[in-house]
Amino acid sequence: EPEVTQTPSHQVTQMGQEVILRCVPISNHLYFYWYRQILGQKVEFLVSFYNNEISEKSEIFDDQFSVERPDGSNFTLKIRSTKLEDSAMYFCASRDGGNYGYTFGSGTRLTVV
Amino acid sequence: ILNVEQSPQSLHVQEGDSTNFTCSFPSSNFYALHWYRWETAKSPEALFVMTLNGDEKKKGRISATLNTKEGYSYLYIKGSQPEDSATYLCAFMGNDYKLSFGAGTTVTVRA
Repeated sequence: EPEVTQTPSHQVTQMGQEVILRCVPISNHLYFYWYRQILGQKVEFLVSFYNNEISEKSEIFDDQFSVERPDGSNFTLKIRSTKLEDSAMYFCASRDGGNYGYTFGSGTRLTVV
Repeated sequence: ILNVEQSPQSLHVQEGDSTNFTCSFPSSNFYALHWYRWETAKSPEALFVMTLNGDEKKKGRISATLNTKEGYSYLYIKGSQPEDSATYLCAFMGNDYKLSFGAGTTVTVRA
């Protein structure tokens, strides 16, 4: 069964550093998403991406965040200057648009120290 | 911010027993209700996507019902097994196709 692949599975970074979280969505999917879960809190929406541009973003997704689909397969989330409160599990997901179902990756646990 | 609530937060079940838990969600702008099964270090696994009021779906020993008018869904596990231990997440999908998640119900099945 097709999978969404995320790398790395765990990243530790120093406060103020830039991080790039990588995702390979399912190849024929059209809609791409980033969600995150801060420990002890609900999974929350960050951003959706369609047709090579952001279609919607949450209040969390400020100027420190950016997303890119640099080629036909990768979908990245960049955090320019990480803060302690960015520590969370970040999930990538994709959807084919023909139905409502999402496929999630296994997540990247980001720890900012 | 949409209010999606799950209860209980956690439960312990004896192997072989059946159990159920709930998800409540807004009844307006409803497109779908998703259920996921999530084990640590793994991808959330899609169990059901439910769209119609009165929907009932089944996958093996797990089933779910949906009431969109009153805004709730039940997930049932029949004859619980240790491999059913996981966190079960529900998520409301509105007309923007974004998911608003509940906090999850963590099920622990004791052998």
